[in-house]
Amino acid sequence: QVQLVQSAGEVKKPGASVKVSCMTSGYTFSSYGISWVRQAPGQGLEWLAWISGYNGNTKYAHKVQGRVTMSTDTSTSTAYLELRSLRSDDTGVYYCARDFVGAGMDVWGQGTTVTVSS
Amino acid sequence: DIQMTQSPSTLSTSVGDRVTITCRASQSVSDWLAWYQQKPGKAPKLLIYKASNLERGVPSRFSGTGSGTAFTLTISSLQPDDFATYYCQQYDSYPHTFGQGSKLEIK
Repeated sequence: QVQLVQSAGEVKKPGASVKVSCMTSGYTFSSYGISWVRQAPGQGLEWLAWISGYNGNTKYAHKVQGRVTMSTDTSTSTAYLELRSLRSDDTGVYYCARDFVGAGMDVWGQGTTVTVSS
Repeated sequence: DIQMTQSPSTLSTSVGDRVTITCRASQSVSDWLAWYQQKPGKAPKLLIYKASNLERGVPSRFSGTGSGTAFTLTISSLQPDDFATYYCQQYDSYPHTFGQGSKLEIK
């Protein structure tokens, strides 16, 4: 079955970087994109980024543009989200999700908690 | 960026009630709109895509309508498992913004 398995939670200091992984299985990686969605504690969902599994094209939210990089490793069907210059308001749960053009995000990872604290 | 506004933010409801949640976009998103359900501590779950298409495996009591700037999610007869927070999301243009969420509470 289709699965997205994310890396374990991280605790980082302000100004540091974090790289979260999303290992996929059960489908053709190149046929779908991967999106990242963040949820701050007690808050709603925030779309952050998207990458094409086909050609690696990316789209980023303005709020994180310049600090974020999405990448993929097609040999392992894994997507990565790297966020730099971390701030306390980057604290939250980061979800990856399979994203098919026109059909929404249909399969989600379990979430990765990133805590930014001095 | 396209702003998505949901109403109500919170709704106290009972099992068996018919529930309607509204989502408005600050500009037209055609029918590129999805609805998600989220329970505490869990990842969101896709319910509806392209405004009115029911995701496979989602009960038929869920339905979506609308196009352009106004959309609704309706639950025809609320079940105990439906008490959760619901989000709309436009994917007409990047960034793919979410509404602020609508929480269904038990009355």
